[in-house]
Amino acid sequence: EDQVTQSPEALRLQEGESSSLNCSYTVSGLRGLFWYRQDPGKGPEFLFTLYSAGEEKEKERLKATLTKKESFLHITAPKPEDSATYLCAVQAKGTYKYIFGTGTRLKVLA
Amino acid sequence: DAGVIQSPRHEVTEMGQEVTLRCKPISGHNSLFWYRQTMMRGLELLIYFNNNVPIDDSGMPEDRFSAKMPNASFSTLKIQPSEPRDSAVYFCASSLDTGSQPQHFGDGTRLSIL
Repeated sequence: EDQVTQSPEALRLQEGESSSLNCSYTVSGLRGLFWYRQDPGKGPEFLFTLYSAGEEKEKERLKATLTKKESFLHITAPKPEDSATYLCAVQAKGTYKYIFGTGTRLKVLA
Repeated sequence: DAGVIQSPRHEVTEMGQEVTLRCKPISGHNSLFWYRQTMMRGLELLIYFNNNVPIDDSGMPEDRFSAKMPNASFSTLKIQPSEPRDSAVYFCASSLDTGSQPQHFGDGTRLSIL
């Protein structure tokens, strides 16, 4: 069964303290892995799509990487405005469905 | 560019009442998804439309839930009769196609059934 597990559930960082969020997945052939950011009272905002192991994508302080079993979202020198819930989703080949993880709640303290 | 637009943003009603949630997808997107988000279960797919046709409604929890997409720019999710356990945030998302194009979400409707 396709499955996505995100860790940690919650993370508190000091401003400038770099860290990584993990998304472990089991899927019968990966079509794509998606990272989203969700702010309170808002819908998930698309960040990245990764398609194959070894691929990396960057946007400002965020960098997403992908292996055959997991993806990491690296946050370099975070700022308080990076505080949000980060969601990971996988899409298996031949399907349209996303399987979402339960997210990591990130809090960056000034 | 306008994103996915949902209305209302908040809905509070008494159990037994009919609730209608509305969604306008991004122009040009031909796939539309309705999700429900709760603390316990996270994001769950309720129904998926492609080119205005419902393709998979296996996530719709009960017959009390129904969804329509009369044209490419409008979809509704209806609950009749509503129950307290339907309280959740309901999101609509659209994508360009069902390949690996990302889904883009609206800001949701927070539904409270008293």
